[in-house]
Amino acid sequence: QVQLVESGGDVVQPGTSLRLSCAASGFTFRSYGMHWVRQAPGKGLEWVAVISFDGRNQYFADSVKGRFTISRDNSKNTLYLQINGLRAEDTAVYYCAKAHYYDSRGYFEYWGQGTLLTVSS
Amino acid sequence: QSALTQPASVSGSPGQSITISCTGTSSDIGGYNHVCWFQQHPGKAPKLMIYDVSQRPSGVSTRLSASKSGNTASLTISGLQAEDEADYYCTSFTSGSTWVFGGGTKLTVL
Repeated sequence: QVQLVESGGDVVQPGTSLRLSCAASGFTFRSYGMHWVRQAPGKGLEWVAVISFDGRNQYFADSVKGRFTISRDNSKNTLYLQINGLRAEDTAVYYCAKAHYYDSRGYFEYWGQGTLLTVSS
Repeated sequence: QSALTQPASVSGSPGQSITISCTGTSSDIGGYNHVCWFQQHPGKAPKLMIYDVSQRPSGVSTRLSASKSGNTASLTISGLQAEDEADYYCTSFTSGSTWVFGGGTKLTVL
């Protein structure tokens, strides 16, 4: 069965950088797009970014454009989210989600359990 | 990328039906059939309940139905049960090849 396991969440200081990871199994990772979605404490879901099956196409929410980078290593079945210049408003649970399609049009078919990132001095 | 508009809360008694609306624009809901609904219980990951406007994934209760008219999507839950109490989110693909979520609706079963 599809399994997505996020890691890398931590308590970090503002202005620093962090990389989140999402290990995928139970499906042909290299054939599907992948998303990151975040949820601040007590708030709603916010779409963050999507990457196509081959990594060539990436799209970002306006709120993170320029600071966030999404990438994938299909040889390791792993998705990444690099976050630079961390801000307090980046504090959230970060979920990775498998798209049902190979590119950004794919909806969020399966979700991981999330990893908590806290930005605080 | 403005968030889709959902009511903050809805409520109903067991056995009743409720409908949650989700309003966007012609650049998202109105322009595409890539509209989904998710259920989220406290402390849990979201669960896909509806995709492509009105399609139910395998295993999702037939008490859930959904539709779209113009720039507004709707989710209806009939025969309310205690287990339906949760937060519900709509989402849509957009003209910028991005996705946008609604603010979420808290469903209370009285």
